[in-house]
Order: sequence, then structure tokens, then C-alpha cells
Amino acid sequence: DVKVTQSSRYLVKRTGEKVFLECVQDMDHENMFWYRQDPGLGLRLIYFSYDVKMKEKGDIPEGYSVSREKKERFSLILESASTNQTSMYLCASSYRGQAGNEQFFGPGTRLTVL
Amino acid sequence: AQKITQTQPGMFVQEKEAVTLDCTYDTSDPSYGLFWYKQPSSGEMIFLIYQGSYDQQNATEGRYSLNFQKARKSANLVISASQLGDSAMYFCAMREDNTNAGKSTFGDGTTLTVKP
Repeated sequence: DVKVTQSSRYLVKRTGEKVFLECVQDMDHENMFWYRQDPGLGLRLIYFSYDVKMKEKGDIPEGYSVSREKKERFSLILESASTNQTSMYLCASSYRGQAGNEQFFGPGTRLTVL
Repeated sequence: AQKITQTQPGMFVQEKEAVTLDCTYDTSDPSYGLFWYKQPSSGEMIFLIYQGSYDQQNATEGRYSLNFQKARKSANLVISASQLGDSAMYFCAMREDNTNAGKSTFGDGTTLTVKP
């Protein structure tokens, strides 16, 4: 069964802390994505990657960075967490280059920054 | 500019009835894909159905069908014979095929509540 896993379901951090959110997929997908989900705002793309060590900014990259050293792993980094980064973070992956390739999502990480 | 618009923040439907969730989109790319995802209260997004811009027929997957009206740029999800387990948030998404990595844009979602 295909699977996208995220390192934590719930996380509480303090303002100014460096935060790592990890995502691992076992489907050999080329593409990986990080979204944040806030009520009334849908899913907003933070960063995505289409290959190892490749990354592109999404719609709201400010305050975030990413790392993709291995094909199966895509990390989201909050360099200095702020309260406005309290949100649900969703990781997803998909095959590249074919029409109709849906994204497979992880269970999400609910991050609270105090 | 909003590329995916879901105008219904919340919808109610009686169990066993059909319901239509609206989605309109905006793109100048002739090749694109439209997706619907379901997000139950547990939080995990589940893929439901896909429609390609060149597909001649409306997509169907079990009780889900996609009413694709290309000229109107709409891609409404129809759920037939609603079940209590269909209560969830539903997201419409579009992938423009000229984008890198299959990057998609999501709507704000519609919360569906199925009444017994």
C-alpha cells in the first residue's frame, strides 16, 4: 500500500526555535510538496521538489526552507518559528510527467508555535 | 488571481440523496487536469477523481462523478447516494500541464455534512 509518512502528528514549539518537519514516501515518486492548510484558505503551496536536490518556491515560501537529499525524503525547515506559522502542514508526493497523476498525502502535522 | 473557486463553504445533504459540489477554474493552458480530494476529520487527504482537459467523457469513480463543462470552466463533483461517511471537506484542484512537477492549485474547500 502506498504511503506518505510525516514525522509528527502534533508538534509544539516556541517562538524562535528551529523546526524540522520530515516527510518520507515509499512510492519512488519524483515530485514532493509541502503545503500549509489554514481555515478558509485551503491548501497553500510552500515549496516543492521534482528531483533530488531540486526545489522550487511555491506561493508562500517566506520563513521556510526545504531539503531533499534523498528521493524519498523531503524536509521542511522553519528557521526561526513564529506564531503566524501555527498551522497544519501537509506533505504530498506524485509521479512526474504523466497526466492524471494525483498527489498522495501524508497525515499532516499540526504545528503550534507559542 | 484565484484559479480555483469553490463557492460553497458548507453544504448539507440528506443521507441517500445526491449532492453536487461546485468548482470553477481559470487557466489559459489548453492542457490541464482537474482533481477532487476528500479530507475527513482525521485530516488525511484522499484522492477521489480526475478529469483531463482533453477527456471527452465525464470521469466516474463509483459513487463519484465529475460534471465537466469545459466552456464554462466548471468541474463539479457529484456524489450519488450520500452516506454518513461522506461527511468531510472536499477540495477541487487543478494542475496546469506546463508547470514543473505537476504543481497544483487548490480551492478553499467545501465542508459537506450528511444528515441521517
